[in-house]
Amino acid sequence: DVKVTQSSRYLVKRTGEKVFLECVQDMDHENMFWYRQDPGLGLRLIYFSYDVKMKEKGDIPEGYSVSREKKERFSLILESASTNQTSMYLCASRSPSGGYEQYFGPGTRLTVT
Amino acid sequence: AQSVTQLDSHVSVSEGTPVLLRCNYSSSYSPSLFWYVQHPNKGLQLLLKYTSAATLVKGINGFEAEFKKSETSFHLTKPSAHMSDAAEYFCVVRTGNTGKLIFGQGTTLQVKP
Repeated sequence: DVKVTQSSRYLVKRTGEKVFLECVQDMDHENMFWYRQDPGLGLRLIYFSYDVKMKEKGDIPEGYSVSREKKERFSLILESASTNQTSMYLCASRSPSGGYEQYFGPGTRLTVT
Repeated sequence: AQSVTQLDSHVSVSEGTPVLLRCNYSSSYSPSLFWYVQHPNKGLQLLLKYTSAATLVKGINGFEAEFKKSETSFHLTKPSAHMSDAAEYFCVVRTGNTGKLIFGQGTTLQVKP
């Protein structure tokens, strides 16, 4: 089974702090994704990565950056956290040689105060 | 452009009665469609997927969905609801060949004893 893990389930940070969210997958997937989930809005794509050191902006990249130095790890960075970034963050991975389905981690619920 | 609309934000059924969660999609070519389920405080789990093979797709936990091109629908059904089915359900469509997915707003399924 594909396993996607995220470094924290719950995180509380202060406004202006730099925040790192880590995601690791164990299936050698090339593609990885970061989403945020808000009630009534479904999941919205922040950034994705086709492969190591490659990244593409999603639909809502403002205020975020990403890093992919190793194939199994994809990090989401909030350079200066703001209260409107309080949300559930979900990481996913996918193999281009498989179907288009993505495999999700358990999520990190981030609260910025 | 691809899009997906879940027609109900909240559905309530009694245990043992049928479940119907409605989804309409918009796609300029033959779509790949998915249903995901999210139990409270968990990540998303793939229920089933349609990728232009059989129009009636069977998934896990007794769920199935029927792709109807003429109606641009991909409704999710289950003959008999179980208490453990209470969760949020997302209808998802693939966009192009990039592997990016577009998520509906979600439908919360409540199952009453």
